[in-house]
Amino acid sequence: DAGVIQSPRHEVTEMGQEVTLRCKPISGHDYLFWYRQTMMRGLELLIYFNNNVPIDDSGMPEDRFSAKMPNASFSTLKIQPSEPRDSAVYFCASSLTTPNEQFFGPGTRLTVL
Amino acid sequence: DQQVKQNSPSLSVQEGRISILNCDYTNSMFDYFLWYKKYPAEGPTFLISISSIKDKNEDGRFTVFLNKSAKHLSLHIVPSQPGDSAVYFCAATYGNNRLAFGKGNQVVVIP
Repeated sequence: DAGVIQSPRHEVTEMGQEVTLRCKPISGHDYLFWYRQTMMRGLELLIYFNNNVPIDDSGMPEDRFSAKMPNASFSTLKIQPSEPRDSAVYFCASSLTTPNEQFFGPGTRLTVL
Repeated sequence: DQQVKQNSPSLSVQEGRISILNCDYTNSMFDYFLWYKKYPAEGPTFLISISSIKDKNEDGRFTVFLNKSAKHLSLHIVPSQPGDSAVYFCAATYGNNRLAFGKGNQVVVIP
């Protein structure tokens, strides 16, 4: 298996633009997680899905952030409009029915100018 | 608030010696603890875990110890190898499917 796939790996955009991050989980995994990593806050959970249904989005910082999972093999995290403080590395992870041992993708490094 | 704390952000150790990483937590509801390892430009990878009903779990060169009364866990790597040079994250959960991560410890193993 190719593991969790994220695209793009790097994204540089200007403030106010829409940003869409993409994730393909490992086939057969029931859970999908979106994380954000910053120097100040470390690795924090934004939202997670179980069987394509959003379960807990309490970590989403504000309404500018949205996430979808239209099917078991694809998820997006969208930021609209983007702001410089959104600059971070965004990770997607997936896991089987035991969500503790999560498999992470390589991350997307987002820079908002 | 940081529910999982990793102090001493960096550690340098000679190859062949023991590396000890520490982690403290504040939420007594946590019942499962994990360590992840991360190389630059890659996502974290699962290393080892321990349930709150145990106080030790061993997997090859890696051992995790849990002291529930002190809300403290540690990861021992012995012997340390150059390939162990990475950032190590402690994480904890209590059955709500949310992992709370520490900020990580950088380990450098000197050949």
